[in-house]
Amino acid sequence: DTGVSQDPRHKITKRGQNVTFRCDPISEHNRLYWYRQTLGQGPEFLTYFQNEAQLEKSRLLSDRFSAERPKGSFSTLEIQRTEQGDSAMYLCASSLNREVSFFGPGTRLTVL
Amino acid sequence: GQQVMQIPQYQHVQEGEDFTTYCNSSTTLSNIQWYKQRPGGHPVFLIQLVKSGEVKKQKRLTFQFGEAKKNSSLHITATQTTDVGTYFCAGPETNDYKLSFGAGTTVTVRA
Repeated sequence: DTGVSQDPRHKITKRGQNVTFRCDPISEHNRLYWYRQTLGQGPEFLTYFQNEAQLEKSRLLSDRFSAERPKGSFSTLEIQRTEQGDSAMYLCASSLNREVSFFGPGTRLTVL
Repeated sequence: GQQVMQIPQYQHVQEGEDFTTYCNSSTTLSNIQWYKQRPGGHPVFLIQLVKSGEVKKQKRLTFQFGEAKKNSSLHITATQTTDVGTYFCAGPETNDYKLSFGAGTTVTVRA
């Protein structure tokens, strides 16, 4: 499968714990995006990488959130000291320059 | 910032009927993209419209981009149960790399 993959698909954690999600984009895509989606809403932009450079972070991303794309390939999104309000679907997408974005299956986070 | 709005939020359709969902942006868009998300799934790219007044068809789905490039519509004819899901429109912000999504139109079909 050459689509965007994400791991894990589901994560249940207790409040205060740290979690890390991984995204593997389509191999030739240089742009990688993280979005968050809550029930009944469209995806909301979180952050964006052009190759390994993180070029923008949304104000939705508090200092508890950090994302990396160390070699310009896969990316990780870490949430420290999770809160119940962090419960959401975290979607990764990739694109080749300005071409359309293709989304991964998402990681559904539940914070108890 | 840029806002994208979609109406209606919910569309309950009798199988075989037609319906239209609308998307409006607060700013002029360079292009508009439509995605479909099945229940429990992730957004799947359907189509991109770039030109003012552009119309594209995919089988029973007809997509239109407004002349002012601030609105778009999706019309589905002869709705089938496979059309169930949430349809999102999205437009790139002026810096071209992030998409602003509408809240979606969730479609259910009565057999």
